[in-house]
Amino acid sequence: GEDVEQSLFLSVREGDSSVINCTYTDSSSTYLYWYKQEPGAGLQLLTYIFSNMDMKQDQRLTVLLNKKDKHLSLRIADTQTGDSAIYFCAEERGSARQLTFGSGTQLTVLP
Amino acid sequence: SAVISQKPSRDICQRGTSLTIQCQVDSQVTMMFWYRQQPGQSLTLIATANQGSEATYESGFVIDKFPISRPNLTFSTLTVSNMSPEDSSIYLCSGKHTNNEQFFGPGTRLTVL
Repeated sequence: GEDVEQSLFLSVREGDSSVINCTYTDSSSTYLYWYKQEPGAGLQLLTYIFSNMDMKQDQRLTVLLNKKDKHLSLRIADTQTGDSAIYFCAEERGSARQLTFGSGTQLTVLP
Repeated sequence: SAVISQKPSRDICQRGTSLTIQCQVDSQVTMMFWYRQQPGQSLTLIATANQGSEATYESGFVIDKFPISRPNLTFSTLTVSNMSPEDSSIYLCSGKHTNNEQFFGPGTRLTVL
C-alpha cells in the first residue's frame, strides 16, 4: 500500500469544505476509488472515477483526477460531523484489477 | 450495489488453532478478494479468490497459512491456520461487479490470544 500516499490527518470546521489528497504511482490504473471507514465498521464505497475522466461530481462529493501528476483528490462540500471518518483512496491495478490502498486520512470535523 | 456479509463478525481464538471466515455476496460478482487490515493500518491484499481453482496469493501470503475456497460466484471462505497473536486483524472480503464497483463486507475482527 505504500505506493499510494495520503496525508494522515485533516481537521476542518463544520460547514467548511474538506479536500483529501492522494498520489498514486501506476499510470496504467484504470479506476481510482474513495472509501470511507467509520470506527469499528467496514469500508463504504463513496465514489470512483475512470482514468480517462478528470472530474466526477456526486452530490456533496467532487473527485478531481490529474493523470499527468498521478494526483487524486476528494472534496466534501459543507462538511458535517457525520463525515468524521478515515478516508482511503485506492488504485486498481494488476491482472485481477485488485486494489492497492493508501494509508488513509483521518478526517475530524470540529463543531 | 452489492451486499456482502461475513461470518463470524468477530472471534477470539487461541494460539495454534484455525478459523474459517465465510463471505457471501447477494449477487454474482466477477472477482472476489480477501484483504487484511491490521490495527490502525491500511488494507493489504491477501489473495484473489478464483472460482473453481486455486487462489492467487500476494507476496508474503501463502496457501498453507491462508487457504481459500470459492466454489461459486457468490461465496468464498478464508481460513487463518495455526494462528498466532500476529494474525490479530480485521479480515475483509470484497466483490467486484462487471461495472467495476468493488464492495466490501463488514469485516471479521480476529483476536488471537
